[in-house]
Amino acid sequence: GAVVSQHPSWVICKSGTSVKIECRSLDFQATTMFWYRQFPKQSLMLMATSNEGSKATYEQGVEKDKFLINHASLTLSTLTVTSAHPEDSSFYICRIYRSSNTEAFFGQGTRLTVV
Amino acid sequence: GESVGLHLPTLSVQEGDNSIINCAYSNSASDYFIWYKQESGKGPQFIIDIRSNMDKRQGQRVTVLLNKTVKHLSLQIAATQPGDSAVYFCAERPPSSNTGKLIFGQGTTLQVKP
Repeated sequence: GAVVSQHPSWVICKSGTSVKIECRSLDFQATTMFWYRQFPKQSLMLMATSNEGSKATYEQGVEKDKFLINHASLTLSTLTVTSAHPEDSSFYICRIYRSSNTEAFFGQGTRLTVV
Repeated sequence: GESVGLHLPTLSVQEGDNSIINCAYSNSASDYFIWYKQESGKGPQFIIDIRSNMDKRQGQRVTVLLNKTVKHLSLQIAATQPGDSAVYFCAERPPSSNTGKLIFGQGTTLQVKP
């Protein structure tokens, strides 16, 4: 099956800086990827749907200028948290979708801590 | 956005016992459901799935039951082991989703006592 690689697994950054998180589909060309955020002891909240070659679709309440998504190739989607603040500290997870297979695959997640 | 921003309920079971984790889903027209297991600090891991035209599906030590009448999904784990300790989420695919969009349930923390 498809394998997803998410990098970095954890990152600590200072307030006001930007952080880029990568999500790679290692053996499958993923036209659609999803980005989730998860706060401690809570469920996964969908942030946006990343579409290869087009603009991402953001969920209501998610600031597209703050959470920049780029899906320039069929194997890579990136999420950039711009001007990070402590309240952006969370666990960010990507997921790839494969239309020919109803299973969905998640990355390992990135723990972001903004200090 | 999707998801429920509530703290997760906890189910505590003795090693060797069977576990039943429940989930209420939101859309009566959802056609596909998945159970995921998430260990601390890791991404969710696929456990088992079921389509809406079925009411039961079995895997290795796990069984998923679907009751569409009351929009209820359950995950049964037989002979629960310490390695089963994790958070379990159900997810549903709404009928309008042609991109694989999934809505996640609240989640349940499973604690297995040795």
